Amino acid sequence: QSVLTQPPSASGTPGQRVTISCSGSSTNIGSNYVDWYQQLPGTAPKLLIYKNNQRPSGVPDRFSGSKSGTSASLAISGLRSEDEADYYCAAWDDSLSGLVFGTGTKVTVL
Amino acid sequence: QVQVVQSGAEVKKPGTSVKVSCKASGYTFSSIGVTWARQAPGQGLEWMGWIRPYNGNTNYAQKFQGRVTMTTDTSTNTAYMELTGLRSDDTAVYYCARPVSGREGYYYYYMDVWGKGTTVTVSS
Repeated sequence: QSVLTQPPSASGTPGQRVTISCSGSSTNIGSNYVDWYQQLPGTAPKLLIYKNNQRPSGVPDRFSGSKSGTSASLAISGLRSEDEADYYCAAWDDSLSGLVFGTGTKVTVL
Repeated sequence: QVQVVQSGAEVKKPGTSVKVSCKASGYTFSSIGVTWARQAPGQGLEWMGWIRPYNGNTNYAQKFQGRVTMTTDTSTNTAYMELTGLRSDDTAVYYCARPVSGREGYYYYYMDVWGKGTTVTVSS
């Protein structure tokens, strides 16, 4: 089962700001960097944020990440229809000696 | 450019094995290797493990230990993931991806290039 907890869903209208939380523990988020992945329907995951708040080339600055203690957040500002997707957080877990993913959040643009 | 290309879909009977391949290009495969993850229908992502060819080291998720074997062929820059004792709940899309890892104070581990996925269906 997933070690990192996310809300199952989030929604907003075009142009709004949406925030997704990711709750972990001292052995994962509390000790290591957090990443975020976007998965559009029927496609492979895509790296969205790495090292808590870094964006790969090509990812719009509407996407931002943050971390505090054993929790992390992904914010999407200026929500667009193409942002409708599943979002997953991830972090290395020192206790499990492996990567753990969040439970995933489905973002709907109303 | 960096890419990983996976083998095609498989249909397997319960109790058998499946071996999925992942051909990497555009990066130093021998030193970086690949990560494997899977996603069951309608479910979230699940990390399966990681192999680094340069030292032969593998790191398997506890859940799959004893059932999964990850190998590489550095002559063709190809990685393989074999899962044995297949059950219906192994039905999933299996992904390979390029891992990026290191330590800058904290440890970082992320996958920046993903394959399109290989659908494995386990059914009698």
